[in-house]
Amino acid sequence: GALVYQYPRRTICKSGTSMRMECQAVGFQATSVAWYRQSPQKTFELIALSTVNSAIKYEQNFTQEKFPISHPNLSFSSMTVLNAYLEDRGLYLCGARDSTEVFFGKGTRLTVV
Amino acid sequence: QQKVQQSPESLIVPEGGMASLNCTSSDRNVDYFWWYRQHSGKSPKMLMSIFSNGEKEEGRFTVHLNKASLHTSLHIRDSQPSDSALYLCAAAYNNAGAKLTFGGGTRLTVRP
Repeated sequence: GALVYQYPRRTICKSGTSMRMECQAVGFQATSVAWYRQSPQKTFELIALSTVNSAIKYEQNFTQEKFPISHPNLSFSSMTVLNAYLEDRGLYLCGARDSTEVFFGKGTRLTVV
Repeated sequence: QQKVQQSPESLIVPEGGMASLNCTSSDRNVDYFWWYRQHSGKSPKMLMSIFSNGEKEEGRFTVHLNKASLHTSLHIRDSQPSDSALYLCAAAYNNAGAKLTFGGGTRLTVRP
């Protein structure tokens, strides 16, 4: 079956520091990977959409300078939250698509202290 | 206005009752709809997806899609307290890859 693993599941970082999260597609080829953030009491916001061999497209309010993403092959993507502050806390989800479906990982929950 | 609108924002149904949730896209280029359930503090889990006009049933869950009106609905019959959660509708659009646009969600509470 198709699975998406995200690592780490939970992380705590000090305000102003950075943390990297990873997304691994298993059992299918992830030609397209989307990173989302769910802030407390909010719905999911798309951060960026990454398609292999294409430029990564960031949504408004999210920038490459703040959330650099790497998508080097069809099974792996990573995203870093640089200079994390309180407003960056939340659940970060990776969604990876094969030809018909988007599979989500369990997310990385980021706490900023 | 959000591209994907869900209604109602919150819903309370008695145990054993029917819960009906709605979702509409304002963009005609919608490709697929998905329904997700998210229990408090957990990641969303996909319930059902629908691509074609009509109805799809899995157990107590039925999803309808009307592509002409860009509307999908999720119906939960014989609702259980364990069904209490945030239900998210998401739409994928033509040539948008893994990008899903989520609605604001419907918070369902099933009262024992």
